[in-house]
Amino acid sequence: GDSVTQMEGPVTLSEEAFLTINCTYTATGYPSLFWYVQYPGEGLQLLLKATKADDKGSNKGFEATYRKETTSFHLEKGSVQVSDSAVYFCALSVETGRRALTFGSGTRLQVQP
Amino acid sequence: DGGITQSPKYLFRKEGQNVTLSCEQNLNHDAMYWYRQDPGQGLRLIYYSQIVNDFQKGDIAEGYSVSREKKESFPLTVTSAQKNPTAFYLCASSIQGIKGQPQHFGDGTRLSIL
Repeated sequence: GDSVTQMEGPVTLSEEAFLTINCTYTATGYPSLFWYVQYPGEGLQLLLKATKADDKGSNKGFEATYRKETTSFHLEKGSVQVSDSAVYFCALSVETGRRALTFGSGTRLQVQP
Repeated sequence: DGGITQSPKYLFRKEGQNVTLSCEQNLNHDAMYWYRQDPGQGLRLIYYSQIVNDFQKGDIAEGYSVSREKKESFPLTVTSAQKNPTAFYLCASSIQGIKGQPQHFGDGTRLSIL
């Protein structure tokens, strides 16, 4: 079946540090890939997405590139802020069957001033 | 503004009681989903519906039931058969038929046992 693996958290960084959160996947078919962010007590917000190989999704300084050869979709940001502290989820969907999202377990990011 | 509204934000259940979580969307999306989130874990799919009057079990449907009588509404009932209902429940919706359409989420309902 489909699955997503994320790096374990929490990830603790100082403000303005470089961020990488690793995400790899296995899927039947050709999935679309997503990063969602969850702030405390809230639902999930779409951060960025990519639908085909070598696509780069970007938003709010975050980027991720769809790497089909390594089945990866790592999230990066050049300079994190305290306001980026949240839980980040990598997810995939396929265009057949139920089309629901398959999520990784989430990575908590804590940014210290 | 278009979006998904979940209510209530907090809910408490007594032993042997059924409770219903509301999910309403005004995005005109065909598909709706219910997920369960436990601490430190990803989201797991409970039920989904791709069209009105039709729904399917997800990965952890035991102890839950749903209905989809209207396009805008997809309520989830947590029955007394669900022995460990304490969790954060998230409802989502999406457009069907276009690759890469993201799911839009509500703000969730936190269910606890009294």
